[in-house]
Amino acid sequence: SAVISQKPSRDICQRGTSLTIQCQVDSQVTMMFWYRQQPGQSLTLIATANQGSEATYESGFVIDKFPISRPNLTFSTLTVSNMSPEDSSIYLCSVEASNYGYTFGSGTRLTVV
Amino acid sequence: GEDVEQSLFLSVREGDSSVINCTYTDSSSTYLYWYKQEPGAGLQLLTYIFSNMDMKQDQRLTVLLNKKDKHLSLRIADTQTGDSAIYFCAEIPFVGGGNKLTFGTGTQLKVEL
Repeated sequence: SAVISQKPSRDICQRGTSLTIQCQVDSQVTMMFWYRQQPGQSLTLIATANQGSEATYESGFVIDKFPISRPNLTFSTLTVSNMSPEDSSIYLCSVEASNYGYTFGSGTRLTVV
Repeated sequence: GEDVEQSLFLSVREGDSSVINCTYTDSSSTYLYWYKQEPGAGLQLLTYIFSNMDMKQDQRLTVLLNKKDKHLSLRIADTQTGDSAIYFCAEIPFVGGGNKLTFGTGTQLKVEL
């Protein structure tokens, strides 16, 4: 199954700044998914990123706050813009691992101070 | 919309069996998964089951599915301290086509000596 390298693994950022999270996959994949996991919570899908088209955002998430790039079939970035303490979460990327499952990156633990 | 619910916390003694339960509401769920999240880590796919199956066994893990009651369980035999983690069930109608995983609330398993 696909292996995902996600970085940074963690960061502490000042409010008002932006952080870009990268995910690199060791094989070509059609779709990449970005999730947020708030402290003590389950995972919530932010958006789905297809190569060559605009990302599709879930309700409650907007492109201005979470711009996504998908320049090729093995790479994607998620930017958390104009951060506030409420953005402190774990952010994870995911891809279809096979015809039966999904693989996740190791996550980016973001703390906004 | 779909809801996937789990009990929040489970404590067992090392060597005992653990049973983590999950209920879901979407009758079109076809693929059901169990993921493990260790502290500070991403999600690891443990096992999965198709909706046309009642049971699946994989070493120490046994998955039971009651499709009529929309109830899924994960049994871990001979639970070890390394099994301490948060366990998420997740479901999807089918893999691909832009469908998204819906995650349960997560169950924190604590294994005591």
